[in-house]
Amino acid sequence: ILNVEQSPQSLHVQEGDSTNFTCSFPSSNFYALHWYRWETAKSPEALFVMTLNGDEKKKGRISATLNTKEGYSYLYIKGSQPEDSATYLCASPRGSTLGRLYFGRGTQLTVWP
Amino acid sequence: DVKVTQSSRYLVKRTGEKVFLECVQDMDHENMFWYRQDPGLGLRLIYFSYDVKMKEKGDIPEGYSVSREKKERFSLILESASTNQTSMYLCASSLLTGGPQETQYFGPGTRLLVL
Repeated sequence: ILNVEQSPQSLHVQEGDSTNFTCSFPSSNFYALHWYRWETAKSPEALFVMTLNGDEKKKGRISATLNTKEGYSYLYIKGSQPEDSATYLCASPRGSTLGRLYFGRGTQLTVWP
Repeated sequence: DVKVTQSSRYLVKRTGEKVFLECVQDMDHENMFWYRQDPGLGLRLIYFSYDVKMKEKGDIPEGYSVSREKKERFSLILESASTNQTSMYLCASSLLTGGPQETQYFGPGTRLLVL
């Protein structure tokens, strides 16, 4: 994998459903994996920064896991709520000490009440 | 709280106009970034700066220039706006010392329409 890729591109779920989506990234020279949430009409905001293989991070009903050997991260949302509707972005730096991030195209999540 | 502000939320310009998009951050961050976001393409880096008067090209710098005269302010300039520059423009900032693990803080975006 040469770029950061996310799947699916969009997802529609019912309120209360649990859901997950994937971020794939180059596994060589891994430094970190960032997850952001971008709600409509708001600024993208950081959810997690993950650095260690096997890392698992949690914020409320949202959690993320990291596999650096195979180059993927999963984001899970338990019991989705309409306020979880947003575009979820992942990003990975590529060897730069300047903090430059390479973003995936995002997964657009819509949670229907 | 880190605050990144952008001068306009919405902007309508005509083809050929010179357009300035301004970004200001209040956390003394060294790094500042300009992205554009288009449907289906994600965030693409136009330019970034890691210090005053320093700039680096991102992935899509053609048709754009930048200016960083003060640490807190990073300007994106469209020298002669074209319709293919209609897009959402996002500014971000981060600490230089944090390196690859450093979070970027984003502004609310400017939606630019070039007619």
